[in-house]
Amino acid sequence: EVQLVESGGGLIQPGGSLRLSCAASGLIVSNNYMSWVRQAPGKGLEWVSMIYRGGDTFYAGSVKGRFTISRDSSRNTLYLQMSSLRAEDTAVYYCARITDGETAFDIWGQGTMVTVSS
Amino acid sequence: EIVLTQSPATLSLSPGERVTLSCRASQSVRRSLAWYQQKPGQAPRLLIYDASDRATGIPARFSGSGSGTDFTLTISSLEPEDFAVYYCQQRSNWPPTWTFGQGTRVEVK
Repeated sequence: EVQLVESGGGLIQPGGSLRLSCAASGLIVSNNYMSWVRQAPGKGLEWVSMIYRGGDTFYAGSVKGRFTISRDSSRNTLYLQMSSLRAEDTAVYYCARITDGETAFDIWGQGTMVTVSS
Repeated sequence: EIVLTQSPATLSLSPGERVTLSCRASQSVRRSLAWYQQKPGQAPRLLIYDASDRATGIPARFSGSGSGTDFTLTISSLEPEDFAVYYCQQRSNWPPTWTFGQGTRVEVK
């Protein structure tokens, strides 16, 4: 069974840093296109970042320069390093696999909550 | 940036009814459009990709259509488990970015 399990969320002060993890089973992270998508409380979905098989990375404008996506093949885990956090970064963060056609997110984790507040 | 506009914001329906949800793109996305279902406290679930292809395990009552700027998700006969929020999503070519519509809530009448 393919499964993505996020961890690392929590309460963090504005300006702080946090690293989210997404442990994969049943799929190889480095062989897939992987992404982070977030959802603020009571709001819609927002794509955050993605990493190609070859390692190229892309970011939404709202997080560019503050967030970094990466992966560890030995741990089969995807990461999102978040810095200079703002109140508007408060959200549930999901990791998701992107289909080979790059048009959709077909496998999702259960999400981890990040709250940025003093 | 391509903007996706979903309508209506909320639909109040009864089980057994036919549902038609709309998603309009601010410019052509060809057929690069997907639909998701999300229930409270759960992650989104992919229903439809490439405008009309059903994802693995999705019942045949869900269908998608459209191309260019106008897309539709149809549920032929609402089941009790179909009451949820539905999102459309598109991928822009370069730089690669993915955007979602604001969602349509399908609620019990």
